[in-house]
Amino acid sequence: GDSVTQMEGPVTLSEEAFLTINCTYTATGYPSLFWYVQYPGEGLQLLLKATKADDKGSNKGFEATYRKETTSFHLEKGSVQVSDSAVYFCALSDRGGGSNYKLTFGKGTLLTVNP
Amino acid sequence: IAGITQAPTSQILAAGRRMTLRCTQDMRHNAMYWYRQDLGLGLRLIHYSNTAGTTGKGEVPDGYSVSRANTDDFPLTLASAVPSQTSVYFCASSRDRGYEQYFGPGTRLTVT
Repeated sequence: GDSVTQMEGPVTLSEEAFLTINCTYTATGYPSLFWYVQYPGEGLQLLLKATKADDKGSNKGFEATYRKETTSFHLEKGSVQVSDSAVYFCALSDRGGGSNYKLTFGKGTLLTVNP
Repeated sequence: IAGITQAPTSQILAAGRRMTLRCTQDMRHNAMYWYRQDLGLGLRLIHYSNTAGTTGKGEVPDGYSVSRANTDDFPLTLASAVPSQTSVYFCASSRDRGYEQYFGPGTRLTVT
């Protein structure tokens, strides 16, 4: 079945540091890939997405590139801010496999950015 | 403002009681979903609906039921709550199956 593996946290960085959160996936079909962010006490918000190989999703300074050859979708940001402190979830939706298009989530990575 | 609303925001419930969590979206999305979020386990799909009038089981459907009488509403019912159902529950919707999902603010449920 489909699965998503993301780096375990917590991740603690200083403001303006470079961020990478690794995400790899397994899927039987042709997945779309997503990063969601959850701020404390809130629901999940879509951060960015990519629907096919080599697509790059970007939003709010975050980027992730859909790499089919390495089955990866790593999240990066060049200079994090305190306001980026949140839990980040990688997810996939498999359009061609047996998952009936449901989202499969990674377990989440807690990011804390210190001033 | 378009989006998803959930009610109640939080609830403390005695074991054995029946409870319905409400979810309403105004985006005219076809697909809707219920997840539970537990520390260390991430988000797990309880039930889903690809279109009004149809529902399906997710990863952890036992003890929960749903209905989809119309496009906008997707209530989740716990027929007889148990302490293991203590969790944060999120409703989500998407334009169609396979598209990005949009989440509500969540309901924090404690079963004592």
